[in-house]
Amino acid sequence: EPEVTQTPSHQVTQMGQEVILRCVPISNHLYFYWYRQILGQKVEFLVSFYNNEISEKSEIFDDQFSVERPDGSNFTLKIRSTKLEDSAMYFCASGSMTGLGYGYTFGSGTRLTVV
Amino acid sequence: LAKTTQPISMDSYEGQEVNITCSHNNIATNDYITWYQQFPSQGPRFIIQGYKTKVTNEVASLFIPADRKSSTLSLPRVSLSDTAVYYCLVGDRGNTPLVFGKGTRLSVIA
Repeated sequence: EPEVTQTPSHQVTQMGQEVILRCVPISNHLYFYWYRQILGQKVEFLVSFYNNEISEKSEIFDDQFSVERPDGSNFTLKIRSTKLEDSAMYFCASGSMTGLGYGYTFGSGTRLTVV
Repeated sequence: LAKTTQPISMDSYEGQEVNITCSHNNIATNDYITWYQQFPSQGPRFIIQGYKTKVTNEVASLFIPADRKSSTLSLPRVSLSDTAVYYCLVGDRGNTPLVFGKGTRLSVIA
């Protein structure tokens, strides 16, 4: 079964540092997403990406965040200057129609810890 | 997007059938009902999607009454590995970003 792959699985960074979270979506999917989940809280939408541009973003996705598809396979989320409150699990997802209906495939996530 | 309401938690013994009901009184004509499963420290996993009546796959069944104001996810003969959070989501069958609620935390006991 095709998978969405995320690296690293765990990242520890100092406050104020830049981090880049990486994702390899399923190859024939066209829509890509980033979500985050703060420990014990809901899964929250950050941004969706289609045709090499942002199609939708949430209030959380402020100027500190950016996304890129640099080489046609990787999909990255950059946080320019991390804050303590950015500590969370970050999930990448890609979407397509399946035999079970329209579904999103999520990666296993990157646990970001800002210290 | 239609708001959903589901129980915060449920407990079940192994081997039992578990039914998790979700209310979505404001569901729109174009909306589908989708359920996701999430294990600790993992991303949500698509389980099943339906529009009306009953849908069944190898994992679960989804029952949707005629008025579509609620739906029930049915897990047959649960095992310990079914312990997870289950989310009910309502939205159009497109690329609209998913809006997750708090879900139902299912604990399966031996």
